[in-house]
Amino acid sequence: DVKVTQSSRYLVKRTGEKVFLECVQDMDHENMFWYRQDPGLGLRLIYFSYDVKMKEKGDIPEGYSVSREKKERFSLILESASTNQTSMYLCASSNRGLSPNEQYFGPGTRLTVT
Amino acid sequence: GQQVMQIPQYQHVQEGEDFTTYCNSSTTLSNIQWYKQRPGGHPVFLIQLVKSGEVKKQKRLTFQFGEAKKNSSLHITATQTTDVGTYFCACKAAGNKLTFGGGTRVLVKP
Repeated sequence: DVKVTQSSRYLVKRTGEKVFLECVQDMDHENMFWYRQDPGLGLRLIYFSYDVKMKEKGDIPEGYSVSREKKERFSLILESASTNQTSMYLCASSNRGLSPNEQYFGPGTRLTVT
Repeated sequence: GQQVMQIPQYQHVQEGEDFTTYCNSSTTLSNIQWYKQRPGGHPVFLIQLVKSGEVKKQKRLTFQFGEAKKNSSLHITATQTTDVGTYFCACKAAGNKLTFGGGTRVLVKP
């Protein structure tokens, strides 16, 4: 059974703190993604990665960075958290090869920045 | 960049009735996927449509891909309380990147 896990379900941080969100998948998937989900806006892509040490900007990368040192792990970093980064963060993975390449999501991390 | 619109944003449905949610892309798509997110849960893949005009059914759910491959619809017949949740379309124009619509949140009145 495909499993995508995220390090925390709930996180509260102060403005200006550095925040790390970790995501691990056990499917040997090449692709990994970070989204944020806000009411009415759907899922917006922050960053994605096609392979180890590779990363590409999504639609809203400002204020975020990522790291992928191992195939199974994809980290999202908020260098200096701000209140407008309060959101639900979802990690996903997919394989590169066979269709339909559906994305498997983790349970999400609800981040509150005060 | 690519824009994806989903309507309606909210759908209140009487149990047993039918409803349809629509997804429209600003660009021609290679394929479209649909996901369902239950309250408090995470999105779960439902189906992928690839061919122009394609229609696929999953029990009471019917998915359709437009002839121009720029729009799609999800029709649910005889709505049940288990259908509660938010339905997202996710559009792929090229590569492995998906662009999600804003979702249709479905509430069922028993």
